[in-house]
Amino acid sequence: QSALTQPRSVSGSPGQSVTISCTGTSGDIGAYNYVSWYQHHPVTAPKLLIYDVNKRPSGVPDRFSGSKSGNTASLTISGLRAEDEADYYCSSYAGDYSYIFASGTKVTVL
Amino acid sequence: QVQVEQSGAEVKKPGSSVNVSCKTSGGPFRNFAINWVRQAPGQGLEWMGGIIPSLGTPDYAQALQDRVTIIADESASTAYMELRSLRSGDTAVYFCAVGCRGYSRFDCWGQGSLVTVSS
Repeated sequence: QSALTQPRSVSGSPGQSVTISCTGTSGDIGAYNYVSWYQHHPVTAPKLLIYDVNKRPSGVPDRFSGSKSGNTASLTISGLRAEDEADYYCSSYAGDYSYIFASGTKVTVL
Repeated sequence: QVQVEQSGAEVKKPGSSVNVSCKTSGGPFRNFAINWVRQAPGQGLEWMGGIIPSLGTPDYAQALQDRVTIIADESASTAYMELRSLRSGDTAVYFCAVGCRGYSRFDCWGQGSLVTVSS
């Protein structure tokens, strides 16, 4: 299994929107609606932002939204804030009780 | 509120094994999906494997299946991950990532356990 593909970095000014893409294959993202997104600040544990493509856990602001088209999933952060500066990872179920992550995207708030 | 507590940092020699524990509280351990995810320095997240205690049979990432074992002790609400034949590339922070409200995501995380492999 190859890792999912994300851009290495994206940036935006406060208040802007940024979108992070996550490209997989017909065996993972394309096959299942089990895409998750995680926010990771250094020296902390990752935090679940989005699950099942577009669902938000309780407590996650609605500035974070997810979507999927074919083999590509996306995370959009609207109204970018300084505290959104972090690494973001997508993950997908890949069948046979296995999961796969992408290499991560660093979001910089300018 | 589910809490996930992991064992502490370890320093290991190449060729040896490491055992990392993950204790949950505040929820039904046997129905959780207990997964292990690691992050090597400067690298992304890597899923290693997982187990649902009530089902018993673990699943492993293909790249690690010959070297990793995951077990769950329901009586102690604790899962364990053993990684054998350690090499420098196994130096990483190892996270216990739990699907505590569903099996399709990792919504409860431990604090991470740093494993350093060095001669």
